[in-house]
Amino acid sequence: DGGITQSPKYLFRKEGQNVTLSCEQNLNHDAMYWYRQDPGQGLRLIYYSQIVNDFQKGDIAEGYSVSREKKESFPLTVTSAQKNPTAFYLCASSMIREGTEAFFGQGTRLTVV
Amino acid sequence: EDQVTQSPEALRLQEGESSSLNCSYTVSGLRGLFWYRQDPGKGPEFLFTLYSAGEEKEKERLKATLTKKESFLHITAPKPEDSATYLCAVRYDKIIFGKGTRLHILP
Repeated sequence: DGGITQSPKYLFRKEGQNVTLSCEQNLNHDAMYWYRQDPGQGLRLIYYSQIVNDFQKGDIAEGYSVSREKKESFPLTVTSAQKNPTAFYLCASSMIREGTEAFFGQGTRLTVV
Repeated sequence: EDQVTQSPEALRLQEGESSSLNCSYTVSGLRGLFWYRQDPGKGPEFLFTLYSAGEEKEKERLKATLTKKESFLHITAPKPEDSATYLCAVRYDKIIFGKGTRLHILP
């Protein structure tokens, strides 16, 4: 089945630790995205990538880092510099052609204690 | 600043009571507008893509329309299973989202 896989579904970390969220897609999409969602809020863009080995900051990139070494993979690291990391994180992918929509994984809920 | 604004923030309807959700945008170089449905704790589920002013798309009880500066999601005779958050997104060089409309259909 083609799709986007995020793992793990739930993640708990102690304050001050870095943590990496996984996102893999087998849709052969060029573009991948990371969003953050807080309770009752919409999706805010953290980082996006349109091609391997290249990525751009979104609206809330501070305290996060990404890599895009393979077309299929776009891991997100939440660093200790992120002041309020507890949130629901969503990964998406799309073709880069105009008018093409993004498809989402099922999300990772990160709780930092 | 590029923005997507959805209204209302929340909407409660009786089963069978039709209504519309609004999405307005201030983005130059629009390359597509999208509607998604999101259930609690899940990733957004794609509903529609609209690309040109005047375009309309339909799926079951939902109909999406697009003008030059806004889109509407019309819901006709909704059922309780239509209760969800509906998200609007626009694409230019990236994809950005509005805050969503939480829709609750009462039986």
